[in-house]
Amino acid sequence: QSALTQPPSASGSPGQSVTISCTGTSSDVGRFNYVSWYQQHPGKAPKLMIYEVNERPSGVPDRFSGSKSGNTASLTVSGLQAEDEADYYCSSYGGGNNFYVFFGGGTKLTVL
Amino acid sequence: QVRLQESGPGLVKPSETLSLTCFVSGGSISGFYWGWIRQPPGKGLEWVGYVFNSGSINYNPSLKSRVTISIDASKNQFSLNVDSVTAADTAVYFCARAASGASCFDHWGPGTLVTVSS
Repeated sequence: QSALTQPPSASGSPGQSVTISCTGTSSDVGRFNYVSWYQQHPGKAPKLMIYEVNERPSGVPDRFSGSKSGNTASLTVSGLQAEDEADYYCSSYGGGNNFYVFFGGGTKLTVL
Repeated sequence: QVRLQESGPGLVKPSETLSLTCFVSGGSISGFYWGWIRQPPGKGLEWVGYVFNSGSINYNPSLKSRVTISIDASKNQFSLNVDSVTAADTAVYFCARAASGASCFDHWGPGTLVTVSS
């Protein structure tokens, strides 16, 4: 099983925008429009922020947006706020018709 | 509001079986996929597997030979067994409700730390 590739860290100042990438393959990110993003604060359970590439669950601010191009998905956080500082994980279906779930290694977002 | 809560021993000896149960409240367990995800201390998330009612189960291929997930709709709970554990199975184990065809998890339990040690 291959994990998705994310940069280990990202940062931005309050009010700025930051984009986190998630690179997979043609068997997972490139094949399925089922990319999700999670936010995790220390000691807490992950929270679903984006599903199906660019859909936001109820209650998630529209400052969070998702996109995909080829084998790479992206999460953009606009208007950075202090509470956005957290770990972010992407995930995708993969494994062909086996419908496994793969996670990225996670990106630590720091609000400067 | 759906709520999930993991339950089980916090310490398991090497070579033994890790057993956890997830209790679901605030909604029926029927009609949804339910999953387990784990996170070793200081590391990233790893999908373990998911189950739908009974009969439709999918496991992480790297764990498949040691993992069993089952569901008890009458008790609104589902369970995880991991056989022949080693220190590498030490992790926080989360149970979660799957959505969007089981491609993502929209409701999570708080997680429970399971340590494998003699």
